Amino acid sequence: SYVLTQPPSVSVAPGQTARITCGGNNIGSKSVHWYQQKPGQAPVLVVYDDSDRPSGIPERLSGSNSGITATLTISRVEAGDEADYYCQVWDSSSGHYVFGTGTKVTVL
Amino acid sequence: QVQLQESGPGLVKPLQTLSLTCTVSGGSISTGGYYWSWIRQHPGKGLEWIGYIYYSGSTYYNPSLKSRVTMSVDTSKNQFSLKLSSVTAADTAVYYCARRMAAAGTFDIWGRGTMVTVSS
Repeated sequence: SYVLTQPPSVSVAPGQTARITCGGNNIGSKSVHWYQQKPGQAPVLVVYDDSDRPSGIPERLSGSNSGITATLTISRVEAGDEADYYCQVWDSSSGHYVFGTGTKVTVL
Repeated sequence: QVQLQESGPGLVKPLQTLSLTCTVSGGSISTGGYYWSWIRQHPGKGLEWIGYIYYSGSTYYNPSLKSRVTMSVDTSKNQFSLKLSSVTAADTAVYYCARRMAAAGTFDIWGRGTMVTVSS
């Protein structure tokens, strides 16, 4: 089955930039979506279709998909960005919605 | 705005059937263009998609769970439901209901989740 691989953790100082990668076979051919999940809360959609943001999501969060990896970039990191982040795709070959392994972002 | 709320027993015995309901408020479940989904998260782990249902009743399940999953919809109550049969401890998880946008394969609105423990 299709696997999406993310780094387990990313640490970043406030005001700096955090980059969270999501790797999968031929990921460039898929639409990648990103979710933020804070402890004890449900996931929140932050980026969809590689780089679009739902209303209410700050421009500091942006997405890209280069074909080899998809990346969620958090600019000017704030303490409130500390959370787990998951990428997600639809894998047509398996008929699966697949989530990445998740990345814990720690703000130093 | 649309909100989702899961409900159901927090404790289920092994080999019994887990039953959960998701109530949709702030909008009609019969509005076209959305698929109503279930997703779970094992304790301390990642997310696993279970399946979705359209308001018409058509369903699509995760192939790995398909043999044990049944979803249904009650448009009169603005609710949809999940049944997972023959549960084991491996089914212990937080269960979320979520709305999937038909135009994009993504889940834009989630319920708060409900913890279900499988134990005798």
